[in-house]
Amino acid sequence: SQQGEEDPQALSIQEGENATMNCSYKTSINNLQWYRQNSGRGLVHLILIRSNEREKHSGRLRVTLDTSKKSSSLLITASRAADTASYFCATDGGWWDFGNEKLTFGTGTRLTIIP
Amino acid sequence: NAGVMQNPRHLVRRRGQEARLRCSPMKGHSHVYWYRQLPEEGLKFMVYLQKENIIDESGMPKERFSAEFPKEGPSILRIQQVVRGDSAAYFCASSPGYQEDRGGGSPLHFGNGTRLTVT
Repeated sequence: SQQGEEDPQALSIQEGENATMNCSYKTSINNLQWYRQNSGRGLVHLILIRSNEREKHSGRLRVTLDTSKKSSSLLITASRAADTASYFCATDGGWWDFGNEKLTFGTGTRLTIIP
Repeated sequence: NAGVMQNPRHLVRRRGQEARLRCSPMKGHSHVYWYRQLPEEGLKFMVYLQKENIIDESGMPKERFSAEFPKEGPSILRIQQVVRGDSAAYFCASSPGYQEDRGGGSPLHFGNGTRLTVT
């Protein structure tokens, strides 16, 4: 079954505003990753957060993880037109699937930044 | 400094023909993953391979689909007797595999996909 579900499915904001996307998953994980996909291209890795971490930053990106609620959020601050893309969360299989590096992706959030 | 290379970029096949999709992983990566993406949807896992071995094929349809990653050469995703429902973007990703010193969780590096159209 689908592991990750992003919310909202689509988000449009003005340039300069902050964008927040949420991801919920169903089973235990070792780590959660966020990816970006521009139209017609492959996915690009943004950030990885491990199950024992609660928050992680990378440039204008801030990711939180709440394992008790099985949820994560991705915050993009001071958005730019170039941030327009689809954003996906992805999870591994948890400890029961130790060593299996495959990721299960959510359905994605389509982010549009209005100049 | 080549990333993951997929070819062809676009592939058109008639119903009943065979489709062969190729993927060359990043240099130094020995693990390959294939995903399928329908328009406006997320990626569906198909198969995870290491050189000459299939690690996880839980997402592969039981019939018509096969994948290999030989000791030499690219990984191949093969679809026999294609049907219209096979039309999708197929993405390949690679990673160095599980790294114990990092506690696992290597990011995947994706190619730009092969868009298969079945007419």
